[in-house]
Amino acid sequence: DTAVSQTPKYLVTQMGNDKSIKCEQNLGHDTMYWYKQDSKKFLKIMFSYNNKELIINETVPNRFSPKSPDKAHLNLHINSLELGDSAVYFCASSRQGAYGYTFGSGTRLTVV
Amino acid sequence: GESVGLHLPTLSVQEGDNSIINCAYSNSASDYFIWYKQESGKGPQFIIDIRSNMDKRQGQRVTVLLNKTVKHLSLQIAATQPGDSAVYFCAEKGTDSWGKLQFGAGTQVVVTP
Repeated sequence: DTAVSQTPKYLVTQMGNDKSIKCEQNLGHDTMYWYKQDSKKFLKIMFSYNNKELIINETVPNRFSPKSPDKAHLNLHINSLELGDSAVYFCASSRQGAYGYTFGSGTRLTVV
Repeated sequence: GESVGLHLPTLSVQEGDNSIINCAYSNSASDYFIWYKQESGKGPQFIIDIRSNMDKRQGQRVTVLLNKTVKHLSLQIAATQPGDSAVYFCAEKGTDSWGKLQFGAGTQVVVTP
């Protein structure tokens, strides 16, 4: 069983479209994260939820909206996609207060 | 082989040699650090961590060294194997209330036969 699973693995879409990426973890963790990895492999945190509550919201355009229906799921919706949104998006989870994050395998988003 | 992190350099290491990956961190108040390994097409995986009250910690074939005076972290991999080829990241725990992890830029390790 995959601990942190993201879907889809690849997403190719046109500029201006709206898309969602889903994440689920079966580890019983309380905290989930979205990270963005750019073409130079730099990983930057975007959002974090703890028990469905938003706790970290970095400087991210309003076009990005996370949603956590329960503590095992954290989805990311992106409106009006732009070329610069092309990246690999990683979901991760951890126990509350712990820092050994478990990462998913990533969603490679390509905006054309 | 040895490298300095933060700009995704490539460290080429011969199989069987030891690797040293370096990382400079930014916040002198950080008290917890982690090394992650990211293989091609996968997410980062936890390798080893260290708290600021330690200066050395050993795992299986890996050793992390922490020098708080110069805010420097290194990861040593003994007897490097082809499966060690990956991008390696250091991460520091932030000092805000939720302590989010801030990642360094990573170092690409390529193991040659």
